[in-house]
Amino acid sequence: KAGVTQTPRYLIKTRGQQVTLSCSPISGHRSVSWYQQTPGQGLQFLFEYFSETQRNKGNFPGRFSGRQFSNSRSEMNVSTLELGDSALYLCASSGTRTSGPASTDTQYFGPGTRLTVL
Amino acid sequence: AQSVAQPEDQVNVAEGNPLTVKCTYSVSGNPYLFWYVQYPNRGLQFLLKYITGDNLVKGSYGFEAEFNKSQTSFHLKKPSALVSDSALYFCAVRDGAGGGNKLTFGTGTQLKVEL
Repeated sequence: KAGVTQTPRYLIKTRGQQVTLSCSPISGHRSVSWYQQTPGQGLQFLFEYFSETQRNKGNFPGRFSGRQFSNSRSEMNVSTLELGDSALYLCASSGTRTSGPASTDTQYFGPGTRLTVL
Repeated sequence: AQSVAQPEDQVNVAEGNPLTVKCTYSVSGNPYLFWYVQYPNRGLQFLLKYITGDNLVKGSYGFEAEFNKSQTSFHLKKPSALVSDSALYFCAVRDGAGGGNKLTFGTGTQLKVEL
C-alpha cells in the first residue's frame, strides 16, 4: 500500500496570510491526525478526524482548523499566520475501527509539510 | 492527563555495542506505548508498540522494548547498534481509557552510533 502523502512538502508564507495543508491517508484508513513539530515545543497534537468528524482536539488557538472529506483525505488550515507557526506539520493515519475505546491501531506518519512564516 | 519523559537528550554508543533509550510515562488508564524514529527531514517511522501481553515487544530493524508497569517505563533496546541507527527517537503514549488516537510524545532522544 502507498504510505501517507502530504502536500505541499515545503511552503513559505508571510505573517498574516493563511495556508492550507493536505493529507492523503493510507488506503482504507479512516482516522487522520495532525501534529506540529517545532524545536522548542516538540511534537504536539493538533486534532484528529474520523469519518469526517473531529474526534479530538489539542490546545491550539482557533486559527488552526481542519476537516476531513468523505474519501478520508484531510486538510488543515492556519489563518492569520504568525512567526511562531513555522514548523513541520505531520499527518498520521490509522486503522479502520468504527467506534469503541481508544484505538490500538498504529498511526503511520507522512513526510510532513515544512511551513516557514516570514 | 498523559505524559512521557525521555530523560536523555542524546545517547552515544559505539557500533556493535548494545543500546538503550529510556522512556517513562504517565497515564490514568491502561498505557498504549509506541516508539518512533525520525531521520533528518523525514516524518516519523513506526518501530514497535505495546498494547497488552508480553512485556518484551519486538519491532522493526532489530529493536525491542520492555514494558515495566511498576516502574512505568518502556525503554527501547537493541543488542548491537549500527551506524545507520543514528537518528532521533520518540516515545509516545496513548491512554487506553480514552477515545481516539491522540498520541503524547516525549521530547526525543538523539542517538549517535559511532565507529
